[in-house]
Amino acid sequence: GIQVEQSPPDLILQEGANSTLRCNFSDSVNNLQWFHQNPWGQLINLFYIPSGTKQNGRLSATTVATERYSLLYISSSQTTDSGVYFCAVETKYNFNKFYFGSGTKLNVKP
Amino acid sequence: KAGVTQTPRYLIKTRGQQVTLSCSPISGHRSVSWYQQTPGQGLQFLFEYFSETQRNKGNFPGRFSGRQFSNSRSEMNVSTLELGDSALYLCASAEEGGWTNYGYTFGSGTRLTVV
Repeated sequence: GIQVEQSPPDLILQEGANSTLRCNFSDSVNNLQWFHQNPWGQLINLFYIPSGTKQNGRLSATTVATERYSLLYISSSQTTDSGVYFCAVETKYNFNKFYFGSGTKLNVKP
Repeated sequence: KAGVTQTPRYLIKTRGQQVTLSCSPISGHRSVSWYQQTPGQGLQFLFEYFSETQRNKGNFPGRFSGRQFSNSRSEMNVSTLELGDSALYLCASAEEGGWTNYGYTFGSGTRLTVV
């Protein structure tokens, strides 16, 4: 199946700092989503972004499908941004099945 | 709209028993998927249902099964539980298999512990 690699695996930031999380994938995708997993385990949908750029408040994401990567930007980070961020992709050859990266664990310190 | 509802939230079972988990999707969503999350293997796809039909299946043994009802609610069952089945089980729903402007929405999960 498709390989999904996220970097960095761990990130420690001071509150107010900016960060960029990366997701590389090894094949063409039909769907790409970024999720934030809260301390209770729920995956919160941040962006549905198979291509292009989207922004939502302090968060934005860019997917360059032709080069097989996506970036998640977090600006002016807050302690509530802490948690694990996952990238998940769905390929054109295997609908309705997400392949997840291993996640980036973010710790924002006050 | 109410979100994706999974019950129960926590469950403790004994090795060899069986367990049934439930997932109620967002109203109007007909696609329901199940995922297993463990520290060692990460998030892995179990299966996906649409209009009561299983459309895709992951690489799990036959002890893992699921079904979907006419109201789109879904259940998954694990028989003959093993210690390695301890995990967070997540359910996701989508309007039409995910390729919409909104993608998939996940529930809060059921944390299963097998002792």
